[in-house]
Amino acid sequence: EIVLTQSPATLSLSPGERATLSCRASQSVSRYLAWYQQKPGQAPRLLIYDTSNRATGIPARFSGSGSETDFTLTISSLEPEDFAIYYCHQRGDWPPSFGQGTKVEIK
Amino acid sequence: QVHLVESGGGLVQPGRSLTLSCAASEFTFSTYVMHWVRQAPGKGLQWLAGISYNGKNKYYADSVRGRFTISRDNSKSMLSLQMNRLRPEDTAIYFCAREMSASRFVDVWGQGATVTVSS
Repeated sequence: EIVLTQSPATLSLSPGERATLSCRASQSVSRYLAWYQQKPGQAPRLLIYDTSNRATGIPARFSGSGSETDFTLTISSLEPEDFAIYYCHQRGDWPPSFGQGTKVEIK
Repeated sequence: QVHLVESGGGLVQPGRSLTLSCAASEFTFSTYVMHWVRQAPGKGLQWLAGISYNGKNKYYADSVRGRFTISRDNSKSMLSLQMNRLRPEDTAIYFCAREMSASRFVDVWGQGATVTVSS
């Protein structure tokens, strides 16, 4: 099973700042990497799929990059509603797996 | 609006069984691959099972293979997860989710059903 390691575990930033979240895979997942946002008491929401494609309705401040084993989610300028937990997720190999999450909190 | 609604969660004793259902609406259910994903209290997401659009192919995580069974009824736009021999570590919120037609990733999630396994 591919292990996804997210860093940092917690990111403390202020609104308006840039957030850079990392996801490293234990082996190549090609471009089959997605990012989800989850807020307390809610289901996850798809932000980015296939490394860099924004899902429907996702603001342009969210962007994804990377390939093979190293991936990044960037939030260019944090809005108040962006403080949440972010998970990366791979479908490059079986079984599907998720990272442990990065919490973006208000500094 | 595309909608998934889980039901059937609750408190169950270890070793017993429970079946979750997921009702789909506002999309052509029979053309989509579907999945179950769970989240233990305070923990991350864990993929559990997936089923092809026609129900012929089913896939399971090692942790639930042989105990859980995913199925679907396309005539009723319903997804199910039968869970047998439940363990305390199966306590979680269970989400059903729809896989995108243009990608391998899920883009629509239900609100989740809470399952608590405890004596």
